Amino acid sequence: GIQVEQSPPDLILQEGANSTLRCNFSDSVNNLQWFHQNPWGQLINLFYIPSGTKQNGRLSATTVATERYSLLYISSSQTTDSGVYFCAVSSNTGKLIFGQGTTLQVKP
Amino acid sequence: EAEVAQSPRYKITEKSQAVAFWCDPISGHATLYWYRQILGQGPELLVQFQDESVVDDSQLPKDRFSAERLKGVDSTLKIQPAELGDSAMYLCASSPGQGGAKNIQYFGAGTRLSVL
Repeated sequence: GIQVEQSPPDLILQEGANSTLRCNFSDSVNNLQWFHQNPWGQLINLFYIPSGTKQNGRLSATTVATERYSLLYISSSQTTDSGVYFCAVSSNTGKLIFGQGTTLQVKP
Repeated sequence: EAEVAQSPRYKITEKSQAVAFWCDPISGHATLYWYRQILGQGPELLVQFQDESVVDDSQLPKDRFSAERLKGVDSTLKIQPAELGDSAMYLCASSPGQGGAKNIQYFGAGTRLSVL
């Protein structure tokens, strides 16, 4: 099955700093989603981005499908950005395969 | 904004007891998923429904877990008997269907299960 690797596993930033999270996947996909898991455990949709580039406020994402990776950019980070960020992909089956996540801590 | 509803939010049970979780997907979403997330890991699929039919239950421990979606709307996941290793977050997700943006999955708040 498809393998998903995320890096770095942990990231500590000062408020206001920028960061880049990476997601590598092992096969072609027709769905790629980025999520933020809040401290209560809910997965919040950030982007649906099987290819191309999207931006939403301070967040943006780029997926290069031919090279099988996706990047999530967080600019001017805030303490509320803290939490775990997951990349998840699926092929034709529909089920999402998740990476292990990147745990982000933003310090004031 | 439409949401996936799950209940209960938290459940504490003793080993060997039965537990049940409920999920109501976003209205009109044909596909429903149950995932299990062990602490420190990403979620993993337990079962996938298309309307009322099971599409994938290959990772569902069928000796103790069961899932149903009788009318193709809401769904129930049951564990009987619960074991200590079942302690986890159980997440329900739904999507409109297959193809393009219809693949986008929306998650509920989850049920956090603790087995003592």
